Amino acid sequence: GQQVMQIPQYQHVQEGEDFTTYCNSSTTLSNIQWYKQRPGGHPVFLIQLVKSGEVKKQKRLTFQFGEAKKNSSLHITATQTTDVGTYFCAGARGSQGNLIFGKGTKLSVKP
Amino acid sequence: DTAVSQTPKYLVTQMGNDKSIKCEQNLGHDTMYWYKQDSKKFLKIMFSYNNKELIINETVPNRFSPKSPDKAHLNLHINSLELGDSAVYFCASSQIWDSHYTFGSGTRLTVV
Repeated sequence: GQQVMQIPQYQHVQEGEDFTTYCNSSTTLSNIQWYKQRPGGHPVFLIQLVKSGEVKKQKRLTFQFGEAKKNSSLHITATQTTDVGTYFCAGARGSQGNLIFGKGTKLSVKP
Repeated sequence: DTAVSQTPKYLVTQMGNDKSIKCEQNLGHDTMYWYKQDSKKFLKIMFSYNNKELIINETVPNRFSPKSPDKAHLNLHINSLELGDSAVYFCASSQIWDSHYTFGSGTRLTVV
């Protein structure tokens, strides 16, 4: 079946270092979404990318959608302890059904 | 007001029991979902419900049965609970299939 692969599974960084997580889909997506789940919390929607090659920024977070609409990345500049959590990408397939979630990247930040 | 609310937040029960988890959304969304999150944090779709159409994930044991009395509610009933059912269960909703999801706060189920 259709899959969304996400790497790395874990990332440990020193506060102030940058962080990137990558997603790759086996098929073309109608859009890709990113979610953040804090420890003990629930996934919270961050952003949706729709257009081929789209780049969006939210403060220190930069999101990219590939030209073929099959891959995406989330980059955090100068991580802070508040960035700790698991980041999920989720690929949308239009009218073909529910989002396909990646397995997530768990980010830990050492102060 | 909470957009997607689940009850209970915690559920501890013995093997073999039957339990239900309730979910309600006040966003006016047409589509609701149940996800299971295991200890590795993987989010696995269990059910999707769009208006009157229920889509069942074939990997889900038939001990799990969703019930939707109306568009705003999608409850989850589990029969004959097993140790392996221990997990966090999330309800979510969205306007349409590929719009963003709003998740509930989760129900942590522990089967002993």
